[in-house]
Amino acid sequence: DQQVKQNSPSLSVQEGRISILNCDYTNSMFDYFLWYKKYPAEGPTFLISISSIKDKNEDGRFTVFLNKSAKHLSLHIVPSQPGDSAVYFCAYREGAQKLVFGQGTRLTINP
Amino acid sequence: DAGVTQSPTHLIKTRGQQVTLRCSPKSGHDTVSWYQQALGQGPQFIFQYYEEEERQRGNFPDRFSGHQFPNYSSELNVNALLLGDSALYLCASSWADRGRLDGYTFGSGTRLTVV
Repeated sequence: DQQVKQNSPSLSVQEGRISILNCDYTNSMFDYFLWYKKYPAEGPTFLISISSIKDKNEDGRFTVFLNKSAKHLSLHIVPSQPGDSAVYFCAYREGAQKLVFGQGTRLTINP
Repeated sequence: DAGVTQSPTHLIKTRGQQVTLRCSPKSGHDTVSWYQQALGQGPQFIFQYYEEEERQRGNFPDRFSGHQFPNYSSELNVNALLLGDSALYLCASSWADRGRLDGYTFGSGTRLTVV
């Protein structure tokens, strides 16, 4: 049973516009969430994280929003750039340093 | 500064065989975790090693085993390979005391194909 779900397998956005990637989770006890980006033939790289005591965290063009009542997480990328084309995974922390990932969303930025 | 190094990059094995994958952690990291990423899925946690012991394990059968050496490098062994074991195997290293996990560094993975 998938505890973290990314319901959109793919997303296509025009360069310069906003990209919004979504993630839903099942357990209200989850306390720390992360987003990873993965290019082909490379390992996932950490992008941004958020603790459950916050509802927003920003890092440059990337902002993560956490809606605890809806058990929903979103990643906003503004403005989107061609180099942002990748697969994005949301994940939560479980126990001592274990990550549980969603299925991923393939983001394509069109020029 | 070298990141996480995994070898080999690609591997083809026959059903029923055994395979060993290797991982060298990022310099300064002492914890190694292994993940399996099937096609179209997110990475799934296999297990984690710290101080040469398995500290945490995911929902994988005993055919999956591992080892951590005194220099913190690690091996993942899979016995009696099944077709369903075909996947990208990712190694990630970190510091044991970094609770926030943004210090998790992944390698590029080993692509295992079982035929």
